[in-house]
Amino acid sequence: NAGVMQNPRHLVRRRGQEARLRCSPMKGHSHVYWYRQLPEEGLKFMVYLQKENIIDESGMPKERFSAEFPKEGPSILRIQQVVRGDSAAYFCASSPPGTSGSSTDTQYFGPGTRLTVL
Amino acid sequence: DAKTTQPPSMDCAEGRAANLPCNHSTISGNEYVYWYRQIHSQGPQYIIHGLKNNETNEMASLIITEDRKSSTLILPHATLRDTAVYYCMLRPGGGGSNYKLTFGKGTLLTVNP
Repeated sequence: NAGVMQNPRHLVRRRGQEARLRCSPMKGHSHVYWYRQLPEEGLKFMVYLQKENIIDESGMPKERFSAEFPKEGPSILRIQQVVRGDSAAYFCASSPPGTSGSSTDTQYFGPGTRLTVL
Repeated sequence: DAKTTQPPSMDCAEGRAANLPCNHSTISGNEYVYWYRQIHSQGPQYIIHGLKNNETNEMASLIITEDRKSSTLILPHATLRDTAVYYCMLRPGGGGSNYKLTFGKGTLLTVNP
């Protein structure tokens, strides 16, 4: 059973460009979460999505950041007009269908995308 | 507002047991103790979780004190590949927004040859 897949693993963008990060959840998983890890810091929750629905985006910056999880295809985290402060590792996690957030709802993480903004 | 406290770093000899402590003195009755680890440049890896009883799986054992104010993650035979940052966190049972995992600073475990 393949794990959570993320691509690209490394992404370099110049200031003002757009960054698109992709996440394919584990087979059978319908919940996707995005986290950001700034250098020398712990992971911080950004957004929680189910198929075609954003459940909680309270951790997302209000501007320039958006996320989607379409009916078909991977989840996408999109950052418009990137700035140097967006440089970080972005991790996606997935969990199986059912009641999300339950004590048995373990999240499995992908390898991350390391974004560098020049 | 950290709900768990872990030592910043620990060392362990290869082949020996690694015992990683975590204090959570303000834990609520419905909160589970979860452990993840993050090997350098990789995504966090789920290890184990528990509520009251001790738990064991193929990776580790989790010992939770009777008053639930602290716990210990045990890697019975540490290998060099176990070198990682280990995160202890609390998650409320049931619904709500407990899907938001809270990663603190964790413990950097270094397994030495």
